[in-house]
Amino acid sequence: AQSVTQPDIHITVSEGASLELRCNYSYGATPYLFWYVQSPGQGLQLLLKYFSGDTLVQGIKGFEAEFKRSQSSFNLRKPSVHWSDAAEYFCAVGPNTDKLIFGTGTRLQVFP
Amino acid sequence: GAGVSQSPRYKVAKRGQDVALRCDPISGHVSLFWYQQALGQGPEFLTYFQNEAQLDKSGLPSDRFFAERPEGSVSTLKIQRTQQEDSAVYLCASSSTTRIGGTYEQYFGPGTRLTVT
Repeated sequence: AQSVTQPDIHITVSEGASLELRCNYSYGATPYLFWYVQSPGQGLQLLLKYFSGDTLVQGIKGFEAEFKRSQSSFNLRKPSVHWSDAAEYFCAVGPNTDKLIFGTGTRLQVFP
Repeated sequence: GAGVSQSPRYKVAKRGQDVALRCDPISGHVSLFWYQQALGQGPEFLTYFQNEAQLDKSGLPSDRFFAERPEGSVSTLKIQRTQQEDSAVYLCASSSTTRIGGTYEQYFGPGTRLTVT
């Protein structure tokens, strides 16, 4: 069955610290992988996506993610977190034209 | 418009009432998706349209849920005889036929928060 697991429900970091949000997936075919961010009362905004090629992908707002097929992982990273990064982050997997399967999300809290 | 819009943004319904949620996709976008996001959960797929054709409705939780897109643009998600378990945020997303870097990016609206009392 296709699924996405985000093991961390809630993460708290200090502003300026590095960040890594974990994502593991189960998918039968070549996965298309996505990270979305959701601020309170807002829709989902795409941060970055992977479908082929270089396994390290760069996204918006200084985020990057690395696809590791051997570990079925697609972890999101940022070297220095800003207070405005506080939000809910969702990892998703899917084919390129069809429905997305989302994880349960990781809530990021940033302390000054 | 510049993005996907949804209305109403908030809806309170008494159990048993019917509700209709509207989605205006980005102009020209062929594909339209509906997702349901329960509190503390990730979005879950409900249904998918390509133009006016409903190609996948496998995620609709019961026959009380019905979606339509009669002219291939605006879509309406209707829930009949609402139940408390229908309380959630309903998200709409649209995408074009133009691949962006190899995939069809889904653009999400702000959602409609439905509370059934």
